[in-house]
Amino acid sequence: EIVLTQSPATLSLSPGERATLSCRASQSVGSYLAWYRQKPGQAPRLLIYDASNRDTGIPARFSGSGSGTDFTLTISSLEPEDFAVYYCQQRSNWPRLTFGGGTKVEIK
Amino acid sequence: EVQLLESGGGLVQPGGSLRLSCAASGFTYSSYAMTWVRQAPGKGLEWVSTLSGSGNSTYYADSVKGRFTISRDNSKNTVYLQMNSLRAEDTAVYYCAKDSVAGLDFDSWGQGTLVTVSS
Repeated sequence: EIVLTQSPATLSLSPGERATLSCRASQSVGSYLAWYRQKPGQAPRLLIYDASNRDTGIPARFSGSGSGTDFTLTISSLEPEDFAVYYCQQRSNWPRLTFGGGTKVEIK
Repeated sequence: EVQLLESGGGLVQPGGSLRLSCAASGFTYSSYAMTWVRQAPGKGLEWVSTLSGSGNSTYYADSVKGRFTISRDNSKNTVYLQMNSLRAEDTAVYYCAKDSVAGLDFDSWGQGTLVTVSS
């Protein structure tokens, strides 16, 4: 099983600041990595697929980068709705899909 | 607009059974694999099971293999998750999700249905 480790566990920032979230895989997943945002009490929402492609309707402030084992989600300027939990997910090791443990972005 | 609506959650005793349903609309249902993902209270996301668009191929997490069965009725645009021999550790919100075009990541999710396994 591929283990995804997200860091930091919690990120305390103010609206308008830049957020940088990390996801590290225990072995290479190529570019088969996605990012989701989950607001409190809601289902997750796909933000980024294949490491760097924004899903339909996702604002340009979200960007993804990386390949192999190290990936980054960057939010260039935090909006109020961005204070949430973010998960990465790999689809390289099918049929053993795995998610990271999550990073909570909270208001400082 | 894609819509996924889960139902069937509730309280069940350990060893009991429950069947979840997920009614889909707004897309060509039979063209996409459908997946169940769960989230234990206060915890992260866990992939549970995936079913191909045709319904011919099924995949399960080791934690549910042999106890859960995924199926679909393409005439009703509905996917099901039959859960048997339920354990306390199966307590979670269960989401159904639609595979993206790329496959094996999920571009639409239902609102979730809570399953509580407790005596």
